Amino acid sequence: QKEVEQNSGPLSVPEGAIASLNCTYSDRGSQSFFWYRQYSGKSPELIMFIYSNGDKEDGRFTAQLNKASQYVSLLIRDSQPSDSATYLCAVWPEGGGSQGNLIFGKGTKLSVKP
Amino acid sequence: NAGVTQTPKFQVLKTGQSMTLQCAQDMNHNSMYWYRQDPGMGLRLIYYSASEGTTDKGEVPNGYNVSRLNKREFSLRLESAAPSQTSVYFCASSEDGASFPDTQYFGPGTRLTVL
Repeated sequence: QKEVEQNSGPLSVPEGAIASLNCTYSDRGSQSFFWYRQYSGKSPELIMFIYSNGDKEDGRFTAQLNKASQYVSLLIRDSQPSDSATYLCAVWPEGGGSQGNLIFGKGTKLSVKP
Repeated sequence: NAGVTQTPKFQVLKTGQSMTLQCAQDMNHNSMYWYRQDPGMGLRLIYYSASEGTTDKGEVPNGYNVSRLNKREFSLRLESAAPSQTSVYFCASSEDGASFPDTQYFGPGTRLTVL
């Protein structure tokens, strides 16, 4: 059973701090990794994806991937109250794609306190 | 560009009733997906369509049927609704489920309650 694990939280950080969200996955052959943000009562929206080891930055967001440790993280710099949401990690496992089986974690709820 | 649209936004059914959830995308995507999201369970794939004319079961297909009407539209049908099907249903689409990396874009969701 291919799994994606996230701490459900809630993760509470003060405004202006760095929020660190973590995700581990079981399938060592996984190919690409996605972070989605989901506000309460809304649909998931893509923040960014990463598929090479290392860091990928997009504005205040940085995704980090370590395939050897089967670990992907999302850092949010200068956190704002508007960043308060549930963050979903999703993994494209080996042999995925054409089989439609993007695997989602259950999400980490982030709360940014003013 | 509306992206992915879903109708209805809300629905209440009685046990045993049937209904169809509609989904359409205007991004010329080949692949479309139906998920359900339940508290504590995350997003689970019900059915997907890799391309027009094909459909395949996902993780939780029991009690559902789908139709890929054309490239734009992918519907989900509940033939005899059960309380266990109370959930939020999301439709998603992606350019090509076989490409790398393939990004899925989600519709606004349908909140279904079965009494």
